[in-house]
Amino acid sequence: QQQVKQSPQSLIVQKGGISIINCAYENTAFDYFPWYQQFPGKGPALLIAIRPDVSEKKEGRFTISFNKSAKQFSLHIMDSQPGDSATYFCAPQTNYKLSFGAGTTVTVRA
Amino acid sequence: KAGVTQTPRYLIKTRGQQVTLSCSPISGHRSVSWYQQTPGQGLQFLFEYFSETQRNKGNFPGRFSGRQFSNSRSEMNVSTLELGDSALYLCASSLGTGYSNYGYTFGSGTRLTVV
Repeated sequence: QQQVKQSPQSLIVQKGGISIINCAYENTAFDYFPWYQQFPGKGPALLIAIRPDVSEKKEGRFTISFNKSAKQFSLHIMDSQPGDSATYFCAPQTNYKLSFGAGTTVTVRA
Repeated sequence: KAGVTQTPRYLIKTRGQQVTLSCSPISGHRSVSWYQQTPGQGLQFLFEYFSETQRNKGNFPGRFSGRQFSNSRSEMNVSTLELGDSALYLCASSLGTGYSNYGYTFGSGTRLTVV
């Protein structure tokens, strides 16, 4: 059972542009909704996360939007920079377990 | 503050052998989790330990096992290695209780190649 569907698989954005990544889930037991960022040769790093009682959270250039009824959440990267080029994973969490999406490779062109 | 340390970084083993990977969590973190990352299957959960007790386990065969020591350091073992076990094995730690359990810090992983 594929519990987490992430889209798109990859995207290319110009410097200064907006990147949007979506995540749909099935398991209503998920109780924490993080996004992780991974660079080649490194482990994933927690980027931003939201609890299900909140609809939006912003930290700097990164925003999570959460729609509980639609069972979807998204990551918005504003004013994208070349240093944001990485793979991004949604990883909703419950019962001490992260369920990772397949990942989105973001390339920011200078 | 030291991060999550995984050793070794790279490992080459032969089919049928067994391997042990080590993880030292961030000081003060009592929860340690293990994940397998492959190009085909992505990131998959293996197991999670807290205070030497396994609290959750993923859908992997019994050849995959783990343990946690009283100092929170953890090891995972894979017996009778198969070619398909070639992967990046990632360890993650967190404080482990309540909402402090949310938000994991990952190590850089151990790259295991089975030949």
